[in-house]
Amino acid sequence: EAEVAQSPRYKITEKSQAVAFWCDPISGHATLYWYRQILGQGPELLVQFQDESVVDDSQLPKDRFSAERLKGVDSTLKIQPAELGDSAMYLCASSSYRDSNSYEQYFGPGTRLTVT
Amino acid sequence: RKEVEQDPGPFNVPEGATVAFNCTYSNSASQSFFWYRQDCRKEPKLLMSVYSSGNEDGRFTAQLNRASQYISLLIRDSKLSDSATYLCVVMGGANSKLTFGKGITLSVRP
Repeated sequence: EAEVAQSPRYKITEKSQAVAFWCDPISGHATLYWYRQILGQGPELLVQFQDESVVDDSQLPKDRFSAERLKGVDSTLKIQPAELGDSAMYLCASSSYRDSNSYEQYFGPGTRLTVT
Repeated sequence: RKEVEQDPGPFNVPEGATVAFNCTYSNSASQSFFWYRQDCRKEPKLLMSVYSSGNEDGRFTAQLNRASQYISLLIRDSKLSDSATYLCVVMGGANSKLTFGKGITLSVRP
C-alpha cells in the first residue's frame, strides 16, 4: 500500500536554530498538506499545496516558517529560528481529490519536534 | 466559539460497552464530515465518512444532523483494540480545508 513518507521521524533542536522537515506524498497525489499537532489537540493546517502552488497558508507563521514544493512532488517545511512553542508533531498529508473526488487525506508518520 | 468542538474526555469503558461521541461544528456551510482515528504517537487515519442519512460500518455508526450542526459516532461492543483518540473532522471552504476537533480519547479495559 502506498504511503506518505516523512523524515526525520524525530528532531531535537535548540531554540534559535533552523530545522527542516521533508515529505514525499503518495505518487500521483496533487494536493499536499502540512499540519502541526500540539499534544492533546487535533492537527491544525499550516499550509496546503495544489501541485507546486500554495492555495492556503493563512495559518502559517510566515515570520519563521516557510514551505515549498518546487516540482509539485515532495515538499520541505522549514522553521527558522525555532522557538520553544514550536515543539509539536508535524504531519504531512496528501490527497488526490482534484481528480477522483475522493476527499480522504492520507497522513505520514509525522516528525516529532522538540525545541530545547 | 471553536469551529469544531468535541465532548471532553477521556472515556474509560469495559469491553463490550457501547460508547457515543458527540461533536458540534460552527460553520453551517461545511460540506463533508468525517471521523478519524489516531493511535498513540501515530498518524490520524480515516475511520469513516459521515452522511446525513447516517452510515454504519460493522460496530461503528456515524450520524449527521445538519440542522443542529451535530455529528456523532457510536461504537457498539467495544474491543480493547478500539482504544485510541477519535477526531471529529469537518471539511469546507474554497480549498476543501479539513478542520479537526481536539479529539477524545477512549480506553477500553478488560
